[in-house]
Amino acid sequence: AQKITQTQPGMFVQEKEAVTLDCTYDTSDPSYGLFWYKQPSSGEMIFLIYQGSYDQQNATEGRYSLNFQKARKSANLVISASQLGDSAMYFCAMRETNQAGTALIFGKGTTLSVSS
Amino acid sequence: NAGVTQTPKFQVLKTGQSMTLQCAQDMNHNSMYWYRQDPGMGLRLIYYSASEGTTDKGEVPNGYNVSRLNKREFSLRLESAAPSQTSVYFCASSEYAGGNTEAFFGQGTRLTVV
Repeated sequence: AQKITQTQPGMFVQEKEAVTLDCTYDTSDPSYGLFWYKQPSSGEMIFLIYQGSYDQQNATEGRYSLNFQKARKSANLVISASQLGDSAMYFCAMRETNQAGTALIFGKGTTLSVSS
Repeated sequence: NAGVTQTPKFQVLKTGQSMTLQCAQDMNHNSMYWYRQDPGMGLRLIYYSASEGTTDKGEVPNGYNVSRLNKREFSLRLESAAPSQTSVYFCASSEYAGGNTEAFFGQGTRLTVV
């Protein structure tokens, strides 16, 4: 079963609008972390935001916020006031501990296109 | 700061050839990872090393071997390359395996096996 599910292969938004990128996860571990990364067309992976499973408040970093709904196992990324430079692939990831150890597992990604 | 450095950036191999992808980090991180990225598949974990001296298999380890040479370096070896291993390979590191420490990524190695 997929650990991280991103159901939106592509999203389109106009400049200055807000957009939500969906992410659901599956784990039985009570302690886990959720991350969002951005990958522009140049290919590098850029860390955006982190949410811990025990964090009481939703994480925010500038224009990025994470809508964490623990009971629904969702960790959606909200980008406010979209900019042309936000056009990129976005990956949701989960840090999970299993018998072998702890590793970072990624979803398949969502391509965001911002138009003027 | 260099961060995570991968070499080479591009490589073309013939089927059956072997090669080693090198990765080094200068952030004194304990944990290191190798991923492959294929279109529509996201990043899939090949192997990881939670700390110096340990390595563990990820989701897609077949056809690969790794060596955690020291705390800084984590190499990925393809013993007999196959066209199915054509991919972009990313090395990453994090301060430690748990908690809120994000992973820092190298620039990637684009490997083509013909």
